[in-house]
Formats: sequence, C-alpha cells, structure tokens
Amino acid sequence: EAQVTQNPRYLITVTGKKLTVTCSQNMNHEYMSWYRQDPGLGLRQIYYSMNVEVTDKGDVPEGYKVSRKEKRNFPLILESPSPNQTSLYFCASSLGTGGSGNTIYFGEGSWLTVV
Amino acid sequence: KNQVEQSPQSLIILEGKNCTLQCNYTVSPFSNLRWYKQDTGRGPVSLTIMTFSENTKSNGRYTATLDADTKQSSLHITASQLSDSASYICVVSAKSGGYQKVTFGTGTKLQVIP
Repeated sequence: EAQVTQNPRYLITVTGKKLTVTCSQNMNHEYMSWYRQDPGLGLRQIYYSMNVEVTDKGDVPEGYKVSRKEKRNFPLILESPSPNQTSLYFCASSLGTGGSGNTIYFGEGSWLTVV
Repeated sequence: KNQVEQSPQSLIILEGKNCTLQCNYTVSPFSNLRWYKQDTGRGPVSLTIMTFSENTKSNGRYTATLDADTKQSSLHITASQLSDSASYICVVSAKSGGYQKVTFGTGTKLQVIP
C-alpha cells in the first residue's frame, strides 16, 4: 500500500528544544516536501527535495531545516522551536514535481504545539 | 503572485442534495489543477487532476470542471453523503523551468447533515 508515514503525530514541546519530525515514503518517489497548515491559510510549502541530497526552500522556510540522505526519508528539523511554529505539518511525496501524471500523496499530519 | 481562491469558505447541505464548490486561480503558466478532499485532522487525498486540455473529470459522485480561459474550476458533488463532510482543496500547478510550483487554495469546508 502506498504510504507516507510521519512521526510523531502529536507533540507538545517547549520553546528552544530541538525536535525532528520524521517522514518516510514507500513509493520510491523522487520528490518530497513539507507543508504547514494554519487556520484560514492554505497549505504552505516549507521545504522540498527533488532527489537525494537536493533540497530547496519553499515559501516559509524560516526556522526549519531538512535533509535528504536517502530517497525514502525526508525529516523536518526545528532547531529552536518557537510558539509561532505551532501548526499542523504535512509531509508529501510524488513521482515528479507536480506534473499532470503525478499524484501528490500526503502523510497523516503531525500536530505540533510549542509552548 | 500565484493565487488560488475558493468559495464559499464553508457550506452546510442536507444529505442527498447536490452542491458546487468554486475555485478561481491566477496561476501562470498553468500546468494542471487538482481537487483534494481533506477529512478533519487527516492528510489531503486526491480526487481529480485536470490539465489545460481537459474541461471535465469525474470520480464517482465528484465531477470537476475547468475553464482555462476564465481560470475557473468547480467541483460538483452529487447526492451528497454524510461521509462527504470534509474540506475540499483546489490545488493549481504552474510550470517553472524544470519544476512545477504548486499553490493551494484555503479550502471549502463542507458539512453534510442528516
């Protein structure tokens, strides 16, 4: 079964305490990305990766880091979380970068609260 | 700036009724348009994908239309069911060199009541 798996699903952390949200896909997709979803706003892209060791900033990259050492994994790192990073985060993957034949598969989401 | 606007923001309908959701976009150059269904607290799931040359696409009770000239799309839900209660997100891709930039609408929240 095609899956994008994120962990943790729910996390409450304190300001400044580094955390990592893991993301793994089993579809051998080249393209992976991270989004955050906030009330009243559409999904906004944080970072994306077009392949192993190839990453780039999305629309809202400040305060986040990513790495792509293996094709299947694309962790999101918050080095020093702040309350404005409280949000619902989604990892996504697709065969390509959004072309017509490339369905974007989303993970189940990670609810992050920074206090 | 690429933008995707959806209307209405929210909608309540009776079970069994039809409804239509709207999406207007200012994305250029246009590549494709997708509709996603997002259950509360879950990840979005793809419903339809349409390219420039397609003006309608169906997926069961869901029918999407696209007018590339007016840059408008609609999602029509027929004979609604309680399980259709969700947010529906319009997603438009623009070509940008070898990469496709994806812009998400803010969604229409649909509630189907008995």
